Amino acid sequence: QQQVKQSPQSLIVQKGGISIINCAYENTAFDYFPWYQQFPGKGPALLIAIRPDVSEKKEGRFTISFNKSAKQFSLHIMDSQPGDSATYFCAASRSPHNYGQNFVFGPGTRLSVLP
Amino acid sequence: EPEVTQTPSHQVTQMGQEVILRCVPISNHLYFYWYRQILGQKVEFLVSFYNNEISEKSEIFDDQFSVERPDGSNFTLKIRSTKLEDSAMYFCASKKEYEQYFGPGTRLTVT
Repeated sequence: QQQVKQSPQSLIVQKGGISIINCAYENTAFDYFPWYQQFPGKGPALLIAIRPDVSEKKEGRFTISFNKSAKQFSLHIMDSQPGDSATYFCAASRSPHNYGQNFVFGPGTRLSVLP
Repeated sequence: EPEVTQTPSHQVTQMGQEVILRCVPISNHLYFYWYRQILGQKVEFLVSFYNNEISEKSEIFDDQFSVERPDGSNFTLKIRSTKLEDSAMYFCASKKEYEQYFGPGTRLTVT
């Protein structure tokens, strides 16, 4: 129930291409879904997040698509750049207003964008 | 831009020793967290802290772990008797409203 599944484990994309990473969850109490980007030796950095009251959120080249009925959400990186090469983690938690709000992270996707 | 800081960046300790990992959360944040990441694996929640007490903890956070906010700025994680399997990156995070901001981590190596 607490698990968040993520695929693919690794992804290689040509510069300018679209990177798509998928996540799925089981716990219907989850209602906050952030994506984090992590470079080697660094902490996770918040990229974009979505609440289930919308089906899509876009910030620059990054878009989250959310399917509440399927309990799935995905990250799309448009016009992928070599600088986007990093590990991406999806996460889920109960309401951000819940003062605990511990994140359950997916296992991560290592993205490599070829120049 | 304010950020979460952590010290030390790398800590090497012998099995059975006590370690204290330190974090300075973003100054106006009220919620604090510790996570760990074993090399090559996902980030795992350890504990959350609000209003000077633990609000949630995972099964990983057993009696050998403790957290403290000794003053208005620091947030510490103490591991009382380290084991080899405690070797990991430990991340502190803080939150004001929605987003959790992570520090750069402390790499703990237990030999």
